[in-house]
Order: sequence, then structure tokens, then C-alpha cells
Amino acid sequence: SQKIEQNSEALNIQEGKTATLTCNYTNYSPAYLQWYRQDPGRGPVFLLLIRENEKEKRKERLKVTFDTTLKQSLFHITASQPADSATYLCALLSGYSSASKIIFGSGTRLSIRP
Amino acid sequence: SAVISQKPSRDICQRGTSLTIQCQVDSQVTMMFWYRQQPGQSLTLIATANQGSEATYESGFVIDKFPISRPNLTFSTLTVSNMSPEDSSIYLCSVATSGRTYEQYFGPGTRLTVT
Repeated sequence: SQKIEQNSEALNIQEGKTATLTCNYTNYSPAYLQWYRQDPGRGPVFLLLIRENEKEKRKERLKVTFDTTLKQSLFHITASQPADSATYLCALLSGYSSASKIIFGSGTRLSIRP
Repeated sequence: SAVISQKPSRDICQRGTSLTIQCQVDSQVTMMFWYRQQPGQSLTLIATANQGSEATYESGFVIDKFPISRPNLTFSTLTVSNMSPEDSSIYLCSVATSGRTYEQYFGPGTRLTVT
């Protein structure tokens, strides 16, 4: 069955360092891979999307890589700040049509300590 | 993007009762979805709310337990029927615009506790 694994339930790093979160998947060939941020008591917020034919995507301090051979995505936050503390969800979309559904990982809770 | 509101934000309900959750969007959207998120778990899609026709349910979810309405392009409801403690969860509405279903926008969620 399709499975998405995010590297750890929680990650704790020092402010200013680069946070790296991992998303691995099996039995799946996604057309898109997405990352969302979720704060406590709030719905997920879309951050970045990367397509299967793209290796890397950047947005301000965020960088996402997508390796379809390894079936893995890495999500980096450079110069991390306490305000980056949240749960980050990886999500996969199988196709390009409106009928495609998004499958979410269980998330990694990131804490940035001052 | 779209601004989505949900009512109620939270509720505590007794076993055997039903709760209807409302989702309102500030613009017309093609697709609306209902998800469930149990504590520490990922989001699970319950159904796609179709305007003018019955919702499309995912495996493990049935219309009798989770009836959905979508009377227009900006509003949908999800009812959790005959509740049990196992239904305690956060219920989230999300929307996607035509041709861009890969960008979903989520409401704040409804935290349901069943006692």
C-alpha cells in the first residue's frame, strides 16, 4: 500500500541553523510533492510544490528537493527562527487532473530554540 | 488564495448525537474537501463535496455516517452522525480552484470531542 514517512516526529534545533526535514514514500509515483505548515489549532498552510521533473525549488529561506529515484524529498529552512516552529507536512499528489487526491504524511514537529 | 471559515471551532458532544459542521469560503471554488485529523496523525480525506450532486466518499467513509451537503460554490456542511468517542478528531474543510487542485487551502478546523 502507499506509504509516506516523515523522518521523525520532532526535530529540535538552534536558531540560525538550517533545519532539514525528510519525506520518504513507497508504492507511489507522485506527479507533485508539496509541503505544508501547520500551527497548533490551525489548518495546514500550503508552502511549496515541486513537480516530478524538477529537482529543486526555492522560496525565500525555504528549499525543497525531490528525488524520484530515491523516492525522497528534503525540506530545508535556512537561517531558522523561533517563528518557524510548527509541524511540517509532506503531501503527494498522484496526477494532474482534478480527480487527483492528496495524500499527507503525519508531519514533523519542528522546534527552533533561541 | 481563499479565506475559509468553519463553525463551530470546537464542540463537546454526547455519544449517539449528531453534529453539523459548516464551511464557508469567501469566493466561488470548484472543489471542496472534508478531512479528518486525529491527534498526532496525518490528514485523512473523508470525501469530496460536489456542488449539485452527491459527495464522493473515500474508502472507509460512508454517507450514512458523514452526510455532506454542498448547495452552492461557497458553502458546504459535514454532519458526523450517531457519534462515538472514536469520532473525536479535528475536522477540516479545504478548497481548491479550478485547474489547480494541487493547491489546497484549509479552514481552521473543528475540534470535536465525543464523551
